[in-house]
Amino acid sequence: GNSVTQMEGPVTLSEEAFLTINCTYTATGYPSLFWYVQYPGEGLQLLLKATKADDKGSNKGFEATYRKETTSFHLEKGSVQVSDSAVYFCALNYGQNFVFGPGTRLSVLP
Amino acid sequence: NAGVMQNPRHLVRRRGQEARLRCSPMKGHSHVYWYRQLPEEGLKFMVYLQKENIIDESGMPKERFSAEFPKEGPSILRIQQVVRGDSAAYFCASSPLRGGYRNTEAFFGQGTRLTVV
Repeated sequence: GNSVTQMEGPVTLSEEAFLTINCTYTATGYPSLFWYVQYPGEGLQLLLKATKADDKGSNKGFEATYRKETTSFHLEKGSVQVSDSAVYFCALNYGQNFVFGPGTRLSVLP
Repeated sequence: NAGVMQNPRHLVRRRGQEARLRCSPMKGHSHVYWYRQLPEEGLKFMVYLQKENIIDESGMPKERFSAEFPKEGPSILRIQQVVRGDSAAYFCASSPLRGGYRNTEAFFGQGTRLTVV
């Protein structure tokens, strides 16, 4: 079946540090891939997406590239801010449903 | 175009009572998904519905839980005879097209936080 695996958190970084959150997936066919972000007490918001191999999604300084050969969609940001502290979910969409990873909590310290 | 609306935002129920959670999808969206999130945990899929149809309920507990998405009105997640373990945040998401279309994304509501006392 389809599944998403993310690196376990929590991840704690200092402001302006480089961020990578790993995400790999298992799917039959070619899914669309997403990163969602959840701020405390809120629902999930779409951060970025990619719909085919080698596509790069980007938003608010975050980037992720759809790597079919490694079935990965790692999230990166060059310089994190305190306001980026949140839980990040990797997800795929194929077939009849969305499949979410377990989430990675990021804490950015000033 | 209003986003996905969930209500109530917070719901407190005593053990044994019924909880009814409502979700109004975005305008034009005919597909609704319900997820449960326990404190400090990820999202657990519960059920996927289209208007008047349950497409996938593989994540729903076999007893006490039910969901519907009628032709008119919001989707309802119903939990009968609630227990303390039902305390969680319940999120609804909607999409305009069936899952599997390449550009489809899910839009989430703010969630209903259920507390069973």
